[in-house]
Amino acid sequence: RKEVEQDPGPFNVPEGATVAFNCTYSNSASQSFFWYRQDCRKEPKLLMSVYSSGNEDGRFTAQLNRASQYISLLIRDSKLSDSATYLCVVNNETGANNLFFGTGTRLTVIP
Amino acid sequence: EPEVTQTPSHQVTQMGQEVILRCVPISNHLYFYWYRQILGQKVEFLVSFYNNEISEKSEIFDDQFSVERPDGSNFTLKIRSTKLEDSAMYFCASSEATPQAGDTQYFGPGTRLTVL
Repeated sequence: RKEVEQDPGPFNVPEGATVAFNCTYSNSASQSFFWYRQDCRKEPKLLMSVYSSGNEDGRFTAQLNRASQYISLLIRDSKLSDSATYLCVVNNETGANNLFFGTGTRLTVIP
Repeated sequence: EPEVTQTPSHQVTQMGQEVILRCVPISNHLYFYWYRQILGQKVEFLVSFYNNEISEKSEIFDDQFSVERPDGSNFTLKIRSTKLEDSAMYFCASSEATPQAGDTQYFGPGTRLTVL
């Protein structure tokens, strides 16, 4: 059973489009949730944490549904620089330090 | 902006050889981690380290692996006898507090290990 599942994509969208990524996690005891982005052959970089009430950072909006164990990321007005792999990341359980990563969703923004 | 650094960026070794991967975490961080990513696969947790001891480790982190904080700045991962399947990108990360506390882990640029 995969701890974190994501649609691998790829998503190919034109500049300016709105795109949404979804993620599900298996452990209902998970406490912390994040979206990271990873460029090709680079390290994961934190995009945003995901809070229960949902949160927004500029063009990016993250939502968490604990009942459904579902996390989403919405990107509005896509830029070419948004092209990357988006990783859904979950801290597995209370007190645990380790992060569980999804396989990532590949986004390509086309001019 | 402070960052995690790792050396070397690329390590090539023969099967059965020992390798040591080095990391310098962000200076005021207390929690340190190693992850690996096999090409084309997801990032996988190996081990976390706090207060000079391992706090958690995954099934991947078997007796061939060890970690050490030899001084106040470095954090190392040793693979005692490398296997072909150890070929991967190894990422070091650090955090000031734990993810449970809402803190985030910052990743280094990685060391690409190639075992021949």
